[in-house]
Amino acid sequence: QSVLTQPPSVSGAPGQRFTISCTGSSANIGAGFDVHWYQQLPGAAPKLLIYANNNRPSGVPDRFSGSKSGTSASLAITRLQPEDEADYFCQSYDNILSGVVFGGGTKLTVL
Amino acid sequence: EVQLVESGGGLVQPGGSLRLSCAASGFTFSSGFTFSGYAMSWVRRVPGKGLQWVSTISGSGGVTYYADSVKGRFTISRDNSKHTLYLQMNSLRVDDTALYYCARMPTILSSMDVWGQGTTVTVSS
Repeated sequence: QSVLTQPPSVSGAPGQRFTISCTGSSANIGAGFDVHWYQQLPGAAPKLLIYANNNRPSGVPDRFSGSKSGTSASLAITRLQPEDEADYFCQSYDNILSGVVFGGGTKLTVL
Repeated sequence: EVQLVESGGGLVQPGGSLRLSCAASGFTFSSGFTFSGYAMSWVRRVPGKGLQWVSTISGSGGVTYYADSVKGRFTISRDNSKHTLYLQMNSLRVDDTALYYCARMPTILSSMDVWGQGTTVTVSS
């Protein structure tokens, strides 16, 4: 059971827009700690996609965006492409656990 | 370009020990990025499951953090002169089986912006 809750899977067709949610609590996201998002392609290491809620590292397409409100955060992917098929994870800090927490991950399948 | 390379994984019996290493390169004084200026973390991915944070150490090595599941069994350390991060794993359990990644982060509150390719630890009799 992960501290941050994500939908286990989503699927869609190329060109569609998707949002992946990440729900936490007053001990992590709701306490004001930043949320970060990672993409993990099959057989590859995780890659930072969004940092500090809504910032893209250099090289990440602007099709990816992040937002945060209250105890939740979201990752939006527009103009879905076949190469977006991957696992996506959110991450934050929890002040009760005094450590890093990850979401359980969302597997995105492009039909 | 900063690169992280993990090593030390392998097959071990329950109750055994392993020491993982993570060698960092590309940190140069001229670039303004020094190894000791960053916290470092270990994160694992269990087959069929998600990412699990294991441990983080501050840039100086003076502050450490552990997930409850490994506290008292794992020890994180670093040698800034060698640009190397370590994870000593004792009393290993079957559920420690995973692909272990090291990652760079400015502080424990930050994102992990550079990741290694991982080293596999299998705990089985």
